Amino acid sequence: AQSVTQLDSHVSVSEGTPVLLRCNYSSSYSPSLFWYVQHPNKGLQLLLKYTSAATLVKGINGFEAEFKKSETSFHLTKPSAHMSDAAEYFCVVSRYSYSGGGADGLTFGKGTHLIIQP
Amino acid sequence: SAVISQKPSRDICQRGTSLTIQCQVDSQVTMMFWYRQQPGQSLTLIATANQGSEATYESGFVIDKFPISRPNLTFSTLTVSNMSPEDSSIYLCSVTGQYFGPGTRLTVL
Repeated sequence: AQSVTQLDSHVSVSEGTPVLLRCNYSSSYSPSLFWYVQHPNKGLQLLLKYTSAATLVKGINGFEAEFKKSETSFHLTKPSAHMSDAAEYFCVVSRYSYSGGGADGLTFGKGTHLIIQP
Repeated sequence: SAVISQKPSRDICQRGTSLTIQCQVDSQVTMMFWYRQQPGQSLTLIATANQGSEATYESGFVIDKFPISRPNLTFSTLTVSNMSPEDSSIYLCSVTGQYFGPGTRLTVL
């Protein structure tokens, strides 16, 4: 069975400083991994996804994540935080690799609430 | 990418009643997924709906409570039956496991 653990329920950074949101995963298969963002009272937006290609994945709005198999981690980073980044972030794992053409339901982490201090 | 719409966007219902949520996709997809997001919580997969077969439910979810229809490759419905306040959540459909609809915010009084 697959699972994800988001190591911080809340992260607070100052505007203009780097962001690090930590995620560890567990999967019986070669996983597909995702980061989603959810702004207050808004829908889910896909930030980026890893599907067994390049281990460094670039997403939207300056976010990127690095897949580290040896550490079973998929941390999300951004060099410089913006006020508009304040939101809930979810690390997500799928049972199958999308590069292989499969698709399955997703397992979500509990979320990390990102707070941006002015 | 896929464009997904859901109806209704929100509803307030009385306990003991049922609500059917519709999900429409702008392209044909084999698999559709239904999720629940309880207040202040993460998302939990309810079931997977394949066209032409019975939905597959995750642990803790049963067909009598959450019946699902999948009449064609672009449409699905989820019914929340005999509702109680604990069913107050956002219900979302998803396709290809990546794209999500805007959600249906359900409040049960």
